[in-house]
Amino acid sequence: GDSVTQMEGPVTLSEEAFLTINCTYTATGYPSLFWYVQYPGEGLQLLLKATKADDKGSNKGFEATYRKETTSFHLEKGSVQVSDSAVYFCASSGAGSYQLTFGKGTKLSVIP
Amino acid sequence: EAGVAQSPRYKIIEKRQSVAFWCNPISGHATLYWYQQILGQGPKLLIQFQNNGVVDDSQLPKDRFSAERLKGVDSTLKIQPAKLEDSAVYLCASSFSGGHEDTQYFGPGTRLTVL
Repeated sequence: GDSVTQMEGPVTLSEEAFLTINCTYTATGYPSLFWYVQYPGEGLQLLLKATKADDKGSNKGFEATYRKETTSFHLEKGSVQVSDSAVYFCASSGAGSYQLTFGKGTKLSVIP
Repeated sequence: EAGVAQSPRYKIIEKRQSVAFWCNPISGHATLYWYQQILGQGPKLLIQFQNNGVVDDSQLPKDRFSAERLKGVDSTLKIQPAKLEDSAVYLCASSFSGGHEDTQYFGPGTRLTVL
C-alpha cells in the first residue's frame, strides 16, 4: 500500500536558519502530495500541496517540489522564525484511493 | 467561512465504557473523513463518507467502532466498548468532492483518554 516516510525529529534550529524536512513516498500511479502543519494546541492546517510532477507548492515562505524521479517532496524554508515552531506532516493522496496517507510528523522548534 | 466543528474537545472515560464524537463539516463539502491520531504518529484514516454513503471503512475496527452520516451532513463516531489503546485524538476532516487533488480541511479534534 501507499506509505510516506519523513525525517525523524525533533529538529531544533536557531531563528533565520535554513530548514529542510525530507519526505519520500511510495504510491501506485501519481499521487497528490501535501504538507500539513499542526501548531501547538491547534488542528491540522494545509501548508502547501502539489498535484503533479515538477509542481512546486509554496506558502508562507515554505516551498516543496514534487520530484517523481526521486519520489520526494522535501519541505524547505530559507529563514525560519520562532512562529514556525510546530509539527509538520507530509502526506500523499493516491490516485487509486483518495485517502490521505500521513508520515509520522517532524517536530520543529525554533529558538531566538 | 466556518471551519470543521467537532465536539467534545476532550473526553475521559474508563475502559469498557462507550463514547461518541460529533462532527459538522464545512458547508457544501460532500466528503467527510474520520482519522485516529495516536500520540507521536500521523493520522490514520478510519472511515470516509461520500454524502451519506461509506466509501472506505477498511481500517475501522468494526467490532467496537461505528460511524454514521445521516442526511449527508453531520457525522457521529462511536466507540463501544472502549479499550486503553483507543486513547488518541480523533480528527474529522471534510473536502469538497473527495478527489485525490482535493484539500482536506481538519477540525480541532477530540482528545480521548481511556483509563
